[in-house]
Amino acid sequence: GIQVEQSPPDLILQEGANSTLRCNFSDSVNNLQWFHQNPWGQLINLFYIPSGTKQNGRLSATTVATERYSLLYISSSQTTDSGVYFCAVEFNTGGFKTIFGAGTRLFVKA
Amino acid sequence: EAQVTQNPRYLITVTGKKLTVTCSQNMNHEYMSWYRQDPGLGLRQIYYSMNVEVTDKGDVPEGYKVSRKEKRNFPLILESPSPNQTSLYFCASRSGQGAGNEQFFGPGTRLTVL
Repeated sequence: GIQVEQSPPDLILQEGANSTLRCNFSDSVNNLQWFHQNPWGQLINLFYIPSGTKQNGRLSATTVATERYSLLYISSSQTTDSGVYFCAVEFNTGGFKTIFGAGTRLFVKA
Repeated sequence: EAQVTQNPRYLITVTGKKLTVTCSQNMNHEYMSWYRQDPGLGLRQIYYSMNVEVTDKGDVPEGYKVSRKEKRNFPLILESPSPNQTSLYFCASRSGQGAGNEQFFGPGTRLTVL
């Protein structure tokens, strides 16, 4: 069936470190987004990236649709980066369902 | 300000008492969707709507109803809530009847069913 898998499930970083989060998906996609869920539960759009590469400050993302994966890079991490990072994939399978990965829980230590 | 709003933000209710969670967007988006988030299970799609009067099931539609009578509103209805519907609910919208475009999420509704 359709699957979205994220890795690693948990990540602890020292402030200032870099990290790469991965999202694998099992089928061709209509779109792919990365979100950050902050400690208050709010979902914050990071990137809309069905293909290609985008950058926004210390964050960047790359999606290689033909190989069915996306990467989120966090450079010079800060304590405010802590939270859960989700990728969400919209598949075109006779409908337009969206499936979220299970998330990567990030904790950045001061 | 472009936004998706949900009401109420917090709700505690009892088993069997019908409730409605409202969702409204001011971006003239065609596509709207409901998700629930549970610990260890992430976010799962309940229902989505491609346009007015067009709705379809997501992965976990059991126990929920939706309607899309107007483009801006997409209420989630729990006819007979049960404790296993205790969850954090999110509404989202995006433009386009077809594929593509980013989804914008509401602030969430935390529902507890006793």
